[in-house]
Amino acid sequence: AIRMTQSPSSLSASTGDRVTITCRASQGISSYLAWYQQKPGKAPKLLIYAASTLQSGVPSRFSGSGSGTDFTLTISCLQSEDFATYYCQQYYSYRFTFGPGTKVDIK
Amino acid sequence: QVQLVESGGGVVQPGGSLRLSCAASGFTFSSYGMHWVRQAPGKGLEWVAFIRYDGSNKYYADSVKGRFTISRDNSKNTLYLQMNSLRAEDTAVYYCAKDRDSGSYLVNWGQGTLVTVSS
Repeated sequence: AIRMTQSPSSLSASTGDRVTITCRASQGISSYLAWYQQKPGKAPKLLIYAASTLQSGVPSRFSGSGSGTDFTLTISCLQSEDFATYYCQQYYSYRFTFGPGTKVDIK
Repeated sequence: QVQLVESGGGVVQPGGSLRLSCAASGFTFSSYGMHWVRQAPGKGLEWVAFIRYDGSNKYYADSVKGRFTISRDNSKNTLYLQMNSLRAEDTAVYYCAKDRDSGSYLVNWGQGTLVTVSS
């Protein structure tokens, strides 16, 4: 199975900060990568697919980039509602896999 | 709007069985692939299984292969997960999720159902 890693595993930031999360695949996955946001006690929410396409209704402060093995999720100006855990997921293979998650909390 | 409602969770002894259901509404269920994803307490997301729109192909994580079976009844707009030979490490919230179409990203998620494997 394709292994996904994320860095950092957690970070502390302030409202208004620019935040970048990295996701790496153990083999090339082209642009078959999605990002999800999950808040405590809630189901995950799709943010970005195809590495850089924003899901409908997601604020434009979220952006994604990358292809092959290295990807990034950027939040340009962190808002209070963005404190959550973020996961990447590859869908290059039918043995889908998620990254371990990056928790963004308040500094 | 898309609605996915899981049910069937509960407490089961190690070695036991449980069947989860996911009732779908708000979209043409028979046209979309569906997933099960789980999350152990305090842990990250783990993909469990995927079934194509017509049930023709099924895929499983290594951790559940041979013990879990994903299925669907398109006449009832319902997705299932039959879980056998349950282990303590299967304890998790189980989510069903709708695929973009047939093997892709997960667009919509249910609220989850908790499965606890304990003696």
